[in-house]
Amino acid sequence: QVQVVQSGAEVKKPGASMKVSCKASGYTFTDYHLHWVRQAPGQGLEWMGRIHPNSGATNYAQNFQGRVTMTRDTSINTAYMELSRLRSADTAVYYCASWGGSRSYWGQGTLVTVSS
Amino acid sequence: QSVLTQPPSASGTPGQRVTVSCSGSSSNIGPNTVNWYQQLPGTAPKLLIYNNNQRPSGVPDRFSGSKSGTSASLAISGLQSEDEADYYCAAWDDSLKGWVFGGGTKLTAL
Repeated sequence: QVQVVQSGAEVKKPGASMKVSCKASGYTFTDYHLHWVRQAPGQGLEWMGRIHPNSGATNYAQNFQGRVTMTRDTSINTAYMELSRLRSADTAVYYCASWGGSRSYWGQGTLVTVSS
Repeated sequence: QSVLTQPPSASGTPGQRVTVSCSGSSSNIGPNTVNWYQQLPGTAPKLLIYNNNQRPSGVPDRFSGSKSGTSASLAISGLQSEDEADYYCAAWDDSLKGWVFGGGTKLTAL
């Protein structure tokens, strides 16, 4: 069965960087985009961008341009999302997900807390 | 300030039919299909509707979706207490070249 497993919770200081990993199994990792979506406490879903694991091509949401980098390692079916220059407003649960048509596979979410 | 506009809340009594609206524009809902997600507290979103009105396997037929022009709707018939959740619409935006979500609607079963 499909599994999408993310790395664990992190606490970061303002100005620091974070890097979350997302390991997929049970489907062909290189066939589908891998998206990153975040959700601040009590807030809605916000799309951050996507990477196509086969080519490495990325699309980033305008709100994160210049601060976000999405990469992948196809040898271990794992995607990464790095966000730099963190501020308190970046405190959120970060999800990775693969979707298309009836397919929709989400990780369990990674809570990142930015606090001094 | 979400690109897609949803009412923040909706409610109904058990057994009632409830609808949630999602308003977009000519760059997102107009030319593209809409997905709907259900999110229970503390869990990842679950796909309820894709391609405007299609249900993934396992989603009860109480849930239905529709789209007209630059708006979409999610309908839940025979409301149950377990349907209490947050609901989000989503679509690709051709101008932004990215996915956009609605702000979410919190559904309460009275």
